[in-house]
Amino acid sequence: ELQLVESGGGLVQPGESLRLSCAGSGFTLSRHWMSWVRQTPGKGLEWVANTNQDESQKYYVDSVKGRFTISRDNARNSLYLQMNSLKAEDTAVYYCAKHGSYSFDHWGQGTLVTVSS
Amino acid sequence: DIQMTQSPSSLSASVGDRVTITCRASQTINRNLNWYHQRPGKAPKLLIFAASILQSGVPSRFSGSGSGTDFTLTISCLQPEDFATYYCQQSYNNPWTFGQGTKVEIK
Repeated sequence: ELQLVESGGGLVQPGESLRLSCAGSGFTLSRHWMSWVRQTPGKGLEWVANTNQDESQKYYVDSVKGRFTISRDNARNSLYLQMNSLKAEDTAVYYCAKHGSYSFDHWGQGTLVTVSS
Repeated sequence: DIQMTQSPSSLSASVGDRVTITCRASQTINRNLNWYHQRPGKAPKLLIFAASILQSGVPSRFSGSGSGTDFTLTISCLQPEDFATYYCQQSYNNPWTFGQGTKVEIK
């Protein structure tokens, strides 16, 4: 069974950093585009970043450019999101999602990131 | 960025009802439109991709239609497990964007 499991969320202060991880199982992560998507009560669902199979292409939503970095370790079947200079507006549940047929066809259970002083 | 607008924002319905949710894109997106639902405390789940193709394992009471800017999700006979929030999402242009959601509640 295909599974995605996120970890690494928590409570941090503004300006601090956090690294999220997403472990895949039941499929070969290296064969797929992967994304991070976040969800807040106020803004709903928002795509954050994605990367292609060999990391030669990476894209980010404007609000996180220069602060967040998406990466992957295909040998570990894992996806990462390095988040620096965190702001209160980055507070959200962060999901990793596998791409399929120009959609997000599988999602992890999410990890909560809270940025607050 | 392409704006996705869903209507209604919420609706109340009974088990067995036929339910229709609409989604409008701010510019043409051909058929690059996906539908998800999300139960409380759970991750979104893909229901329909490419406007009308049912994701594997999704019951046939779900159907999608539309192209260009206007799209519809229909649930033909609402079941208890269908009470959730539904989202449309376009994959025509980066950044991929979502509608604000439609909450389907029990009447």
